[in-house]
Amino acid sequence: ETGVTQTPRHLVMGMTNKKSLKCEQHLGHNAMYWYKQSAKKPLELMFVYSLEERVENNSVPSRFSPECPNSSHLFLHLHTLQPEDSALYLCASSQSPGQGGNTIYFGEGSWLTVV
Amino acid sequence: GQNIDQPTEMTATEGAIVQINCTYQTSGFNGLFWYQQHAGEAPTFLSYNVLDGLEEKGRFSSFLSRSKGYSYLLLKELQMKDSASYLCASMDSNYQLIWGAGTKLIIKP
Repeated sequence: ETGVTQTPRHLVMGMTNKKSLKCEQHLGHNAMYWYKQSAKKPLELMFVYSLEERVENNSVPSRFSPECPNSSHLFLHLHTLQPEDSALYLCASSQSPGQGGNTIYFGEGSWLTVV
Repeated sequence: GQNIDQPTEMTATEGAIVQINCTYQTSGFNGLFWYQQHAGEAPTFLSYNVLDGLEEKGRFSSFLSRSKGYSYLLLKELQMKDSASYLCASMDSNYQLIWGAGTKLIIKP
């Protein structure tokens, strides 16, 4: 139990499907993150929400859409994905950057396969 | 640009000591992190260094030299369960983490 819970753990979807990844943190943090992890590559930061405000990463394709209804929950909505989007998607949380407690804590990840 | 370098893979023997090096170049610096990630699992926090020197935590120690842009993770009395990837990350002036690609550590009996 890491304090950050992600569902589903595994997802297979077709390129025309719409699905969502869900993340919930039980650590009392006020910042949440989505990362993409591909084999032998550094973690790629996709989105950050800090104090419920979104910090946008312009390099993320619009087929990925985040939603943060409150400081404990984070979603990643997926639509018309490509096979190269297959990866491990990690959710993480922390105190707001620069406000002390810089350490981020990760969920178990959602393995996504696009067919 | 911002960059983190660490070896792709290392092999060590059970009971031995191994040092995993990391060099970083970031815009500003707010600390250096090490995470452990077992295959198919989440990265878990190991250590955080923001001042020069060695921080010891049980069998694991982490060292930082800010002037050299260099850190290492030292693992003593290696156990088979230490087989994992070790991720180095530097936090820049915007409190954003810049990640290395990870070092896969293989422990042999």
